[in-house]
Amino acid sequence: EAGVTQSPTHLIKTRGQQATLRCSPISGHTSVYWYQQALGLGLQFLLWYDEGEERNRGNFPPRFSGRQFPNYSSELNVNALELEDSALYLCASSLEDSFSPLHFGNGTRLTVT
Amino acid sequence: AQRVTQPEKLLSVFKGAPVELKCNYSYSGSPELFWYVQYSRQRLQLLLRHISRESIKGFTADLNKGETSFHLKKPFAQEEDSAMYYCALQGNTGKLIFGQGTTLQVKP
Repeated sequence: EAGVTQSPTHLIKTRGQQATLRCSPISGHTSVYWYQQALGLGLQFLLWYDEGEERNRGNFPPRFSGRQFPNYSSELNVNALELEDSALYLCASSLEDSFSPLHFGNGTRLTVT
Repeated sequence: AQRVTQPEKLLSVFKGAPVELKCNYSYSGSPELFWYVQYSRQRLQLLLRHISRESIKGFTADLNKGETSFHLKKPFAQEEDSAMYYCALQGNTGKLIFGQGTTLQVKP
């Protein structure tokens, strides 16, 4: 089975720009999660989408947003980029049922200069 | 509020020694708890979860509700166990919260 795929692998942007990160879940998975892994901060929960709707979001400003498409793929958008947004952004997918394990992608490394 | 604490950033043991990676949580309801692992140059993956009561690669974890802990244990560490280990908690909101992670280093 193909795993969770994320694109691009690396993304370099300047402060103030916008970044768009993409994620394709495992076939059959309807839930998509986004996490930020900044240096020294562990995995911080960003967003959870299921069946096209945002189910929950973490403690991030509104300039972090996203969406889930009818094919269950997802986009994470970060507006007005700041230097501290530089991090590895991980996407994970799971089945809709409760407590299904998450399957992670390899991440997108975002660098803001 | 949901919170997961892994007090050790690094745990270094010799091959064959017992391993215990600590995890404490804060949650008012009945959480589901997981351990995820990331080996070098591999993606983060599920190691085990409380609901399955299973042993994976010799690792076990017992939920202690009184101490709000979910420590990961293995009686005899192997070099291939060297990795980053994350404890995670999922509450009834569905949100999965991770601890800061512990790097396990198994020396030959």
